[in-house]
Amino acid sequence: ETGVTQTPRHLVMGMTNKKSLKCEQHLGHNAMYWYKQSAKKPLELMFVYNFKEQTENNSVPSRFSPECPNSSHLFLHLHTLQPEDSALYLCASRGQEGAEAFFGQGTRLTVV
Amino acid sequence: QKEVEQNSGPLSVPEGAIASLNCTYSDRGSQSFFWYRQYSGKSPELIMSIYSNGDKEDGRFTAQLNKASQYVSLLIRDSQPSDSATYLCAADTGGFKTIFGAGTRLFVKA
Repeated sequence: ETGVTQTPRHLVMGMTNKKSLKCEQHLGHNAMYWYKQSAKKPLELMFVYNFKEQTENNSVPSRFSPECPNSSHLFLHLHTLQPEDSALYLCASRGQEGAEAFFGQGTRLTVV
Repeated sequence: QKEVEQNSGPLSVPEGAIASLNCTYSDRGSQSFFWYRQYSGKSPELIMSIYSNGDKEDGRFTAQLNKASQYVSLLIRDSQPSDSATYLCAADTGGFKTIFGAGTRLFVKA
């Protein structure tokens, strides 16, 4: 298996639920990212991990909690989300600073 | 606030024509620039990367960079209906951070 893989592809959750998004990359990259993509808005950078260390938290609400146990895996733990959090959540990885990022297929999240 | 600006479109061109997509960025320190294509419901995929002033050609695609004007463009020659997608411009702002524009929707009419 190659590239960046995200699971699940689709998720519907209630506002009181707790769920997690998973991302796995098989590219040997050291940096991993979570982006949020809402309709008609730019991709929003949420979190950046470099060598498992979080280097960026772009003022993301605490109801989103990232976890990076190693350079190949990245999780986004979700709890008490709001309907406005419904969006496409994209994971990406990058091999070195200045190089291109490779994206996973995304998780389409709907909060009801 | 570091930003990347794009015209949201839609940009409509006939099949076989040249499509011209433009982008400006605010961070003068940015050194790496990317064009991604995103089909509806799919994730972004890299089309071109450019790091130096001037033109970079890859098949039907040409990326142009002018750091003095903080301007990046993408030309698609011989446009095909399969090129219909949203094109995202992105700029590296250092520290492993990449900022994306909102994207330009391109329609290629058969």
